[in-house]
Amino acid sequence: GDSVTQMEGPVTLSEEAFLTINCTYTATGYPSLFWYVQYPGEGLQLLLKATKADDKGSNKGFEATYRKETTSFHLEKGSVQVSDSAVYFCALSQGQGAQKLVFGQGTRLTINP
Amino acid sequence: EAGVTQFPSHSVIEKGQTVTLRCDPISGHDNLYWYRRVMGKEIKFLLHFVKESKQDESGMPNNRFLAERTGGTYSTLKVQPAELEDSGVYFCASSQDPNGELFFGEGSRLTVL
Repeated sequence: GDSVTQMEGPVTLSEEAFLTINCTYTATGYPSLFWYVQYPGEGLQLLLKATKADDKGSNKGFEATYRKETTSFHLEKGSVQVSDSAVYFCALSQGQGAQKLVFGQGTRLTINP
Repeated sequence: EAGVTQFPSHSVIEKGQTVTLRCDPISGHDNLYWYRRVMGKEIKFLLHFVKESKQDESGMPNNRFLAERTGGTYSTLKVQPAELEDSGVYFCASSQDPNGELFFGEGSRLTVL
């Protein structure tokens, strides 16, 4: 079946550092790919998504590019802030929507001032 | 507009007892989903309602779990009898249409002792 693997955390960085959280997937066909974020005390929020190969999703300074040749959707941000501290989840779904998401295990990110 | 609300936020019960979790989706959202994250592992899909009908319940782990959505509004997820391995965080999400963005609640943490 479909699966998502993301780098294990926790990840701790200093403010203004460059961030990469790796995500690879195994799926049949052409899934849609997502990054969700869960800030402390809140529900999961959609951070960005991409629905086809070579698409780049971006939001709040975060970016991820749908790479079909490497089955990857790595999350990047050039300069992180303390407010980016959260748990990040990579996910996929078959089809354009998010009807039935398959999640990775989550990566806890802590940014120190 | 209120988001997806779940309660209780945290429930502690003993093995063999019954617990009922409730989810109130965003008003007007016909699609309602349950997910759970057990023991810090990946978040897994449990089931999907369209209005009051179960569209997909392929993720329900066993017959100790019963989900209902009478009237197509709020939903309940009952675990009876609870086992130790049921401990985790249960997330509810809703969307206006299957291809739309999924909005998650904060989750209900269940601890079975």
